[in-house]
Amino acid sequence: NAGVTQTPKFRILKIGQSMTLQCTQDMNHNYMYWYRQDPGMGLKLIYYSVGAGITDKGEVPNGYNVSRSTTEDFPLRLELAAPSQTSVYFCASSYTGSGTEAFFGQGTRLTVV
Amino acid sequence: SQELEQSPQSLIVQEGKNLTINCTSSKTLYGLYWYKQKYGEGLIFLMMLQKGGEEKSHEKITAKLDEKKQQSSLHITASQPSHAGIYLCGADINDYKLSFGAGTTVTVRA
Repeated sequence: NAGVTQTPKFRILKIGQSMTLQCTQDMNHNYMYWYRQDPGMGLKLIYYSVGAGITDKGEVPNGYNVSRSTTEDFPLRLELAAPSQTSVYFCASSYTGSGTEAFFGQGTRLTVV
Repeated sequence: SQELEQSPQSLIVQEGKNLTINCTSSKTLYGLYWYKQKYGEGLIFLMMLQKGGEEKSHEKITAKLDEKKQQSSLHITASQPSHAGIYLCGADINDYKLSFGAGTTVTVRA
């Protein structure tokens, strides 16, 4: 039972570089989410998806892009990394958007220098 | 500003003592979730509450959702070192967007 798998676990980027954070789930969940967690700020929603081919912005989408070509995968793309994107990123999935628990990956710790 | 306000921000409790964490929303909560996070790890689901007045318990942790469905509390009885961590409340507030509070850091002292 893999659940939600995120890769990589850690990454250091230089300012201006780009990278993709991978997220895959094997529970056939329709809803997937990307959050960032900064100290004392809880989780901020970056993007979410209610199904393959459908994505929408959350609270803090600037500087990020997503795609959802399959039910299983929901990659997060960082273009032109900035120090403000230093954070811990979590991917989550749930069967429906309401009334069911969300399952979280182990997180990706990203540092932009 | 946070749509979900958690209090306190942090607390230190002596092992064996009880503690309570609150989560308040200005909007009606259609689903309220409690998660626990250990440093450097992902979130572990604790409980989900949906109905006003609902109360759920698991081992020494009890969560309630008030009748008006705008506030929830998480109560831990006879705290143990294993209860240390960050507790976050999450809620369905804005159409499928699962929002979270800022978290409460719990430290349990022996």
